Formats: sequence, structure tokens, C-alpha cells
Amino acid sequence: SYVLTQPPSVSVAPGQTAKITCGGNKIGSKSVHWYHQKPGRAPVLVVYDDNDRPSGIPERVSGSNSGNTATLTISRVEAGDEADYYCQVWDSSSDHWVFGGGTKLTVL
Amino acid sequence: EVQVVESGGGLVRPGGSLRLSCAASGFTFNSYYMTWVRQSPGKGLEWVASINEDGSDKYYVDSVKGRFTISRDNARESLYLHMNTLRAEDTAVYYCANLVSGYWYFDLWGRGTLVTVSS
Repeated sequence: SYVLTQPPSVSVAPGQTAKITCGGNKIGSKSVHWYHQKPGRAPVLVVYDDNDRPSGIPERVSGSNSGNTATLTISRVEAGDEADYYCQVWDSSSDHWVFGGGTKLTVL
Repeated sequence: EVQVVESGGGLVRPGGSLRLSCAASGFTFNSYYMTWVRQSPGKGLEWVASINEDGSDKYYVDSVKGRFTISRDNARESLYLHMNTLRAEDTAVYYCANLVSGYWYFDLWGRGTLVTVSS
């Protein structure tokens, strides 16, 4: 089955740029989606189809996807960005939807 | 209001059964695939099952295949998850979400319902 690998944690100072990676075999050929989740809350979609943002998500949140790595980039990080972030793809070979293990973003 | 609301969670003994429900409103329910995603305490998200618009196609993660059944009632705009032979490892918050076909992402999520499997 298809596996997505994320770093368990990323730390960044306020105002800096956070990059959260999501590794998978030839992930660049897939459509990657990202969610954030704050404690006790439901996940929220922040990027879909590699680099599109739903309404209400600020422009400082962006995504990229190439080769074996997809990346979620959050510029000018704020305290409110602190959350768990998950990448997700659909694996067409198995008709399964797959999540990465999640990355905890800490704002120092 | 555009929302999905889960219900039906609770405490159940190992080997027992439970039925989760998800009531949808504010969007064209019968135009969307629907999905259950779960999250065990302190763990990450895990896709559980999905169903297509008319209920004719169903997909399951291997760990629940043969034990869980996803279904829907488009007239009632409701999604269900019938869970049988429950195990301790099925303990989780279960989220209902709609699924945007083509791109295959989860757009609208509910707040979840907690299922605890314990003796």
C-alpha cells in the first residue's frame, strides 16, 4: 500500500517560514492535499490539488509537489498556525485514501 | 448552514456492534462521495471507508474489511457506518466528511463522534 512520510515535528519562530514535507514514491504524479487540525477540533482543508487554497485560507499558505516530495509552506508564521498538519493522497492502484502520519508545527 | 453532524458513538464491549450516523445539510448530498475517517487517541488520521454517490461502490481500509459496512440514504441525506466485531484498536473519534471526486480530497468535516471499545 502507498505510504506517506512526514516529519513528526517542525519548529519555527514567529514571522519566519515553515516548510512541512510529505514524502511518497513518485508523489509528484499524484494530487496532494493538506489539512490542519488544532487540539480537540476537526481537520480543516488548507491546500488541495498540490497548491490551490480553499476560500478563507490566506495566501501565505502554499503548496508544491515534485518528484518524491510534496511541501506545505507557511510564510510569516503566526502563533495561530500552531497545529498538526496532515498530507493526503488518493492511491488509484488500491482505491484507498492515504494520510501521512502528521507533523506538529510549533511556533516558538 | 453547510454541515455534517455525526452521532451514535459510545462505549461498547469488544466483539460488540455499533452504528454511526452522519446527517448532512446545506449541500447537494447525493452529488458527493462520502467518507468516514477516524483518529485514535493521540494518533493521526486514518481513512476508514468511502461510498460513491448512489451507494453502488464502497471502499474500505483493510483493517475493517468484513467487519464494517458503509451505507447511505440519499432521501434522508444521511451516511452510516455499521461496525461489527469491534476491537480495542477501533477506539477512536470517527469523522464524517464529503469527498470531492476527481481531486479526491475531504472538503467538509463534522466534529466527530467518539467510539470506545473496552470491557
